[in-house]
Amino acid sequence: SYELTQPPSVSVSPGQTARITCSGDALPKKYAYWYQQKSGQAPVLVIYEDSKRPSGIPERFSGSSSGTMATLTISGAQVEDEADYYCYSTDSSGDHRVFGGGTKLTVL
Amino acid sequence: QVQLVESGGGVVQPGRSLRLSCAASGFTFSNYTMHWVRQAPGKGLEWVALISYDESDKFYADSVKGRFTISRDNSKNTLYLQMNSLRPEDTSVYYCAGRSGGDDYWGQGTLVTVSS
Repeated sequence: SYELTQPPSVSVSPGQTARITCSGDALPKKYAYWYQQKSGQAPVLVIYEDSKRPSGIPERFSGSSSGTMATLTISGAQVEDEADYYCYSTDSSGDHRVFGGGTKLTVL
Repeated sequence: QVQLVESGGGVVQPGRSLRLSCAASGFTFSNYTMHWVRQAPGKGLEWVALISYDESDKFYADSVKGRFTISRDNSKNTLYLQMNSLRPEDTSVYYCAGRSGGDDYWGQGTLVTVSS
């Protein structure tokens, strides 16, 4: 079955740039989406279609995709950005959706 | 405002069935592809199933295919998940979600516990 691979954890100091990667064989042809999930809450979409930002999401969140890797970048990370982040995409057949294993972002 | 409210969760014995519902309001439900996503305690998100806006497409994760059935009633703005032959590993919070481009909506989830 198709898998998306993320690092388990990323740690930055406040104001630094955090980058979270997501690798998958189908990413050259399929969009990546990024979700933020804080403890006890439902996920929130922060990036869709590789690099688009939904309304209401701060500009410090950006996304990019190149080859088999998608990247979520948080420029000037804030303490309130501490959360689990999940990438999400589709397998090459288009039939199955998949989440990456999640990355715990620590900002301190 | 947009609301997705799941219901139907609870404690069920292995091998039994359960039906989850998700009531939508505040957006044009009939225009949205809808999903069920689950999260086992302390674990990551797992996509379960999707249904297209007109029910023409239904897809399932391999872990639930043949046991779970997704459906919708656009006249009632409601999404369903029929879960049969439940296993302990199906224990999770089940979220319903709908997305159209950058419009992405989630419920707060309903807990399903499969235990004898």
